[in-house]
Amino acid sequence: DAKTTQPNSMESNEEEPVHLPCNHSTISGTDYIHWYRQLPSQGPEYVIHGLTSNVNNRMASLAIAEDRKSSTLILHRATLRDAAVYYCILRDVAYGQNFVFGPGTRLSVLP
Amino acid sequence: KAGVTQTPRYLIKTRGQQVTLSCSPISGHRSVSWYQQTPGQGLQFLFEYFSETQRNKGNFPGRFSGRQFSNSRSEMNVSTLELGDSALYLCASSLNRVSPTTEAFFGQGTRLTVV
Repeated sequence: DAKTTQPNSMESNEEEPVHLPCNHSTISGTDYIHWYRQLPSQGPEYVIHGLTSNVNNRMASLAIAEDRKSSTLILHRATLRDAAVYYCILRDVAYGQNFVFGPGTRLSVLP
Repeated sequence: KAGVTQTPRYLIKTRGQQVTLSCSPISGHRSVSWYQQTPGQGLQFLFEYFSETQRNKGNFPGRFSGRQFSNSRSEMNVSTLELGDSALYLCASSLNRVSPTTEAFFGQGTRLTVV
């Protein structure tokens, strides 16, 4: 399975933008980049996904490098509720529903 | 619509016992996957079921097993419990299994403590 690497932890101030990086240098042409987050005492929840182009939804934006070897999850205005562990995951049809989770990035949001 | 329901939420068992955990996926979802989460190993894939058949299995011993019923509900069983099996067990449901764009919905998990 393709692997991703993320910083162990990051800190942000409330109402400021947050950029969470992810490296996936061995990504294949058919791998989709997914982001999930896990709030305290909850199961992971879907945030966003993309293949080649940048993506936006109500929760976040996903910026994908032109060579697709890295991506950045952008939270435009962090709130206290965004404090969570963020996972960057590669998914391909060959993997089925087997998600390979790395350690993720623990985001702390300071008031 | 209702989310993924896992029961029980908390469980305490003794070494050597066996345990069965249950997962009810979102209505209409046919794929159910199970994950184990521990502080040391993080989230690890256990197995995936689709249309009552195991489609994929992670690197866990045979003590870990599962099944899926015709209504897509799934159970996982752990026999001969060990202290190291203490973990949060998460279930995820998806509409299908083959699309890499399909969103997975996770339950809140079952916290198993083995004493």
